[in-house]
Amino acid sequence: GENVEQHPSTLSVQEGDSAVIKCTYSDSASNYFPWYKQELGKRPQLIIDIRSNVGEKKDQRIAVTLNKTAKHFSLHITETQPEDSAVYFCAARIFGNEKLTFGTGTRLTIIP
Amino acid sequence: EADIYQTPRYLVIGTGKKITLECSQTMGHDKMYWYQQDPGMELHLIHYSYGVNSTEKGDLSSESTVSRIRTEHFPLTLESARPSHTSQYLCASSRDRPGGNTIYFGEGSWLTVV
Repeated sequence: GENVEQHPSTLSVQEGDSAVIKCTYSDSASNYFPWYKQELGKRPQLIIDIRSNVGEKKDQRIAVTLNKTAKHFSLHITETQPEDSAVYFCAARIFGNEKLTFGTGTRLTIIP
Repeated sequence: EADIYQTPRYLVIGTGKKITLECSQTMGHDKMYWYQQDPGMELHLIHYSYGVNSTEKGDLSSESTVSRIRTEHFPLTLESARPSHTSQYLCASSRDRPGGNTIYFGEGSWLTVV
């Protein structure tokens, strides 16, 4: 099955600076890679996703990059704001499989 | 408004009690899932369903059971709760999209077994 590793487990960033979270996956048949943000006491919410036929995707301050050869993908948040503080989860799904495999999460803290 | 509704949101029960966590979605999705998550920790898939009368076990072994008699309803049952079942349970659903399903989560049910 798929195995997803996520780093770092905690990350503190000065407000206005950029934050980068990295994930690696094990199965080269994976083709869908979403990122979820979970604020304290709330449900995980999809913030961006990327499919294996694309190398990069941007949505305002958030971007995701995918390197299929190296089997890793990263979340980039620019111009960080206090409301970006949350736990972020990456995930991967093998083509044709209904199950998402999640990373272990990164607790991001934005320092005002 | 289209959403995924879970009840109860918070529950404290005694060891040995039977509990059913309810999940209903008005998203019009075929696929539904149950995840277990300790606070701020990894999400573990415990059950999923492709549609009515379909149920499958997830990656994390669970003593719970599920049923899918109606498309919009996917309840999870614990026949005899134990303290080790204390956790948050997140119901989710997904729609088909080319290249991969997008999964949406409910607000969660926090279960404490004493």
